[in-house]
Amino acid sequence: AQSVTQLDSHVSVSEGTPVLLRCNYSSSYSPSLFWYVQHPNKGLQLLLKYTSAATLVKGINGFEAEFKKSETSFHLTKPSAHMSDAAEYFCVVRGPGGSYIPTFGRGTSLIVHP
Amino acid sequence: GAGVSQSPRYKVAKRGQDVALRCDPISGHVSLFWYQQALGQGPEFLTYFQNEAQLDKSGLPSDRFFAERPEGSVSTLKIQRTQQEDSAVYLCASSSGAGAFDEQFFGPGTRLTVL
Repeated sequence: AQSVTQLDSHVSVSEGTPVLLRCNYSSSYSPSLFWYVQHPNKGLQLLLKYTSAATLVKGINGFEAEFKKSETSFHLTKPSAHMSDAAEYFCVVRGPGGSYIPTFGRGTSLIVHP
Repeated sequence: GAGVSQSPRYKVAKRGQDVALRCDPISGHVSLFWYQQALGQGPEFLTYFQNEAQLDKSGLPSDRFFAERPEGSVSTLKIQRTQQEDSAVYLCASSSGAGAFDEQFFGPGTRLTVL
């Protein structure tokens, strides 16, 4: 069985300050992990993915995430928030060995203040 | 290039009506997923196709839900005798491969409201 927990339902930051969105996962084996962003009235877009090649993963729009097996975490960070980053963010876990069913977290709403 | 499209974008149904939701995946994509996203929640898996074969339908909430992909491209999710609890956004996603690492490309969703 696999699961994912997004620790914050809302995160509020000021423009230009760092962003941290937290995600913890549970999986019997080394999973593949993803972060998706959902802007209002738009489809989910992939930000980045971890596939065991490197623990620090860089994605689009300046986002990155670090896979920490000992902490079962995959937190999403960005050094400096932009107004356009305001959106809903989802952490996703998929199983090993080609297991295809993704499990989504409940989402974290990122609010960016000017 | 065209992404995943879904139609209709919005659907209002009276309780008890049948509805059909369409998904046009990216051309050539092998895998197709349907998800249900309730308000304030993350998407929840409904069913999965690899080409025309429905390999997993374990997420379908009841036998009122039915999905098909007869020619391995367009897919339709049908809900019979809709209930208020069916109100949600239904998302479709496709990917070029069938592996756990493959990126899924999502459509904009169909927002279903059952009155």
